[in-house]
Formats: sequence, C-alpha cells, structure tokens
Amino acid sequence: QKEVEQNSGPLSVPEGAIASLNCTYSDRGSQSFFWYRQYSGKSPELIMFIYSNGDKEDGRFTAQLNKASQYVSLLIRDSQPSDSATYLCAVSGGGSYIPTFGRGTSLIVHP
Amino acid sequence: EAGVAQSPRYKIIEKRQSVAFWCNPISGHATLYWYQQILGQGPKLLIQFQNNGVVDDSQLPKDRFSAERLKGVDSTLKIQPAKLEDSAVYLCASSLEAAALNEQFFGPGTRLTVL
Repeated sequence: QKEVEQNSGPLSVPEGAIASLNCTYSDRGSQSFFWYRQYSGKSPELIMFIYSNGDKEDGRFTAQLNKASQYVSLLIRDSQPSDSATYLCAVSGGGSYIPTFGRGTSLIVHP
Repeated sequence: EAGVAQSPRYKIIEKRQSVAFWCNPISGHATLYWYQQILGQGPKLLIQFQNNGVVDDSQLPKDRFSAERLKGVDSTLKIQPAKLEDSAVYLCASSLEAAALNEQFFGPGTRLTVL
C-alpha cells in the first residue's frame, strides 16, 4: 500500500512570508509528484508537478523533490491571504499511473 | 473549453438506500477517474477508466459500489445500499490519457450525506 504523508496543520504564516509545505512518500519507485490546491468546498486544482530531482519554479511557487529522501515540498513565496487553502500532495509511478493523495495540509495566511 | 460536469451537486439519503452520480468528462479525454474524498482526507481513487475499459478498480468496494462508462464518454457511479461511512464528496476527474496526470481536471464533486 503506497502511502503519502503530510502534516495536516494548520500552518499559519503572515502575509508576505514564505510558506513551506512538506510531503513524504513510501514507494521508492514513484516517479511523478503533484501539488494540488483545494479551497474549502471546492475541488482540487493542480498547481505544480515535478518529475526530476531538484527545484521547479513557477511564479511564486517552487516544488522541490529529493528522491533519495523520498521527500517533496512546495514553497509559496510572498504568501497572500488568497493562498489560504488545503494543499494536497499526490504521487504516482512505480509501474502505475494511479495517483495516491496525502490528506493535505491546511495553510492559513493572515494579514 | 467546458470543464468536467457532475450531477447532482448534493444528495441526502438514508442508509440502505441507493444513489447514483453522473459525470461528463472534458471532450476528448479518454481517461476518467472517480474519487471519494472523506472530510479531512485526501481523495481516494475508486475506479479509473480508459475509454470504456476499467484500468483499476482495486479500491472500489464492489459489494456495494458499481461504475460504468458504456460509450467511453460519460460515466455513472452507483452505491447500493449506502452506509453511513459512504458520506463523502465524490469527485470525477478526466485527463487526455492515463499518463497525463499533469493534465487531470476535477469536476465540482457531488456531496453525499447518508443519514
């Protein structure tokens, strides 16, 4: 059974700060890693994906992958109150395209 | 481009009753997914279709859940009979192909409450 672990939070950061969200996974064969944002009462929305070790940047978002440590993170720079949501980490690969989601981390950005 | 459509948006039933959900994926998307998201948890894949064939249904409780995608386009998910623990949001998603998880789009979901 593949597992994806996230701290449920809430993670509270002030506006303008860097928010750091973390995720670990159990299947060493995993190849694809995704971050989704889910506002309360809404469906998940893909914001980042990463396949290779290292960093991938897209605007204020940076995904970091370390396959040796089985660890993936999401950094949000210049956090805004509109970033307040639950962030879901999802992992796939190891012979399957079936995604496994973590339970999500709740982020609160306060003014 | 229209998104993934689902209906109904909300459903309240009593335990042991039956319920069905409908999903229409984005046009041209061959892969369709049904997820169950219980409050406070991440989505759990119930079943994945590639066109009208089942790719994976290993986490579908087959004694009470069934799903079909007969013409390779829209899909229905049925629960019969429902249990209290089936209370959740049922999310449908689609992508061009199974490998294209970076282009997986979710519908608005159906919130099911079982009393």
